Amino acid sequence: QKEVEQDPGPLSVPEGAIVSLNCTYSNSAFQYFMWYRQYSRKGPELLMYTYSSGNKEDGRFTAQVDKSSKYISLFIRDSQPSDSATYLCAMGRTGNQFYFGTGTSLTVIP
Amino acid sequence: GAVVSQHPSRVICKSGTSVKIECRSLDFQATTMFWYRQFPKQSLMLMATSNEGSKATYEQGVEKDKFLINHASLTLSTLTVTSAHPEDSSFYICSAQLSGGAARELFFGEGSRLTVL
Repeated sequence: QKEVEQDPGPLSVPEGAIVSLNCTYSNSAFQYFMWYRQYSRKGPELLMYTYSSGNKEDGRFTAQVDKSSKYISLFIRDSQPSDSATYLCAMGRTGNQFYFGTGTSLTVIP
Repeated sequence: GAVVSQHPSRVICKSGTSVKIECRSLDFQATTMFWYRQFPKQSLMLMATSNEGSKATYEQGVEKDKFLINHASLTLSTLTVTSAHPEDSSFYICSAQLSGGAARELFFGEGSRLTVL
């Protein structure tokens, strides 16, 4: 079983829609959870960082962590064409080991 | 967020030559840097973990004599692809982890696209 599972999509939504991106994981020791946005041929850009469980909101983005279900989500409100990218979830535990999802490709249609 | 600079962003070289890619943390110190390889439409594949002042830790299957990593300072790590071959053509990305404290955010460089002819 992979450490982190993420649906690769592709996901296509109309502009203005609410987007829900998800990852599941198997290791209950994970404490740090991150979401990255990666445009084509660019390095990943950190969007959200969450420690342990709970919600975190930043503008149109909301990250949720449910450690009991080993499930994390990223919600994008009022999606824009500029949000079209690949979204990677990442997580880690104490130390410096990180685990990445395969990425979900999102297209927001004007 | 913190800035990680990677250079060059694109490089084309002949088969058999060596190529060096630099990764710099511009506004923070990074005890640990990571090097990844990414194939088209695939996720990041960790190649090695680079710790300042010590030898890099390579992932299984990654040739340490081919992919030389040096982390000489808290703000600079380099990846040298030695005797490059066409199969080494890929997108190489570095990341740096903030030193100290409880934070574990990981920041990525812009990536370097290597094409070996």
